Amino acid sequence: KNQVEQSPQSLIILEGKNCTLQCNYTVSPFSNLRWYKQDTGRGPVSLTIMTFSENTKSNGRYTATLDADTKQSSLHITASQLSDSASYICVVSAQDDKIIFGKGTRLHILP
Amino acid sequence: KAGVTQTPRYLIKTRGQQVTLSCSPISGHRSVSWYQQTPGQGLQFLFEYFSETQRNKGNFPGRFSGRQFSNSRSEMNVSTLELGDSALYLCASSLVGSIPTYEQYFGPGTRLTVT
Repeated sequence: KNQVEQSPQSLIILEGKNCTLQCNYTVSPFSNLRWYKQDTGRGPVSLTIMTFSENTKSNGRYTATLDADTKQSSLHITASQLSDSASYICVVSAQDDKIIFGKGTRLHILP
Repeated sequence: KAGVTQTPRYLIKTRGQQVTLSCSPISGHRSVSWYQQTPGQGLQFLFEYFSETQRNKGNFPGRFSGRQFSNSRSEMNVSTLELGDSALYLCASSLVGSIPTYEQYFGPGTRLTVT
């Protein structure tokens, strides 16, 4: 069964600290993996998109990694800011066009 | 360039009623996808329309339907509303499709509450 599991479910860190969010998937055949940031009351905004051949991709302070062998991805946030408080959603697309969403990690940045 | 717009932003309906939600994609985008988001289930894919044709469909009952017009605007309809249909309904548009590397842009969503 195609699944995307994210951990932790929620995370609280102090402003300025780094953090890493995890995404494990069982989607097959794999096409691509995306990380989205969703602020409260708004639609998701794409952070990164990675295909099978890409191991890492950065977008400012956000760096995503992909290990297609172990079917794991991580999103690393460097020097967190208050504006990073949001839900982060991992989305995996299969080659047959199926799209499977993780339930997200709720990140809270404290001043 | 204006972003994806959705109307209405908030809606309250009672069980058994039907509802129509509207989505206007970014100018030039031909693909529109619809998603349901609930706290328990997260985001779930409803369907995708491209050039007025449904190209992809998620696992939702037939009460959920949609259509796309020649100007790429899309509507989603839910008939015989149930309490469990209360959710944030998100629309996303992309130039060609939601598959592989095509970027999707989400609207702010319509918050539907069924009482």
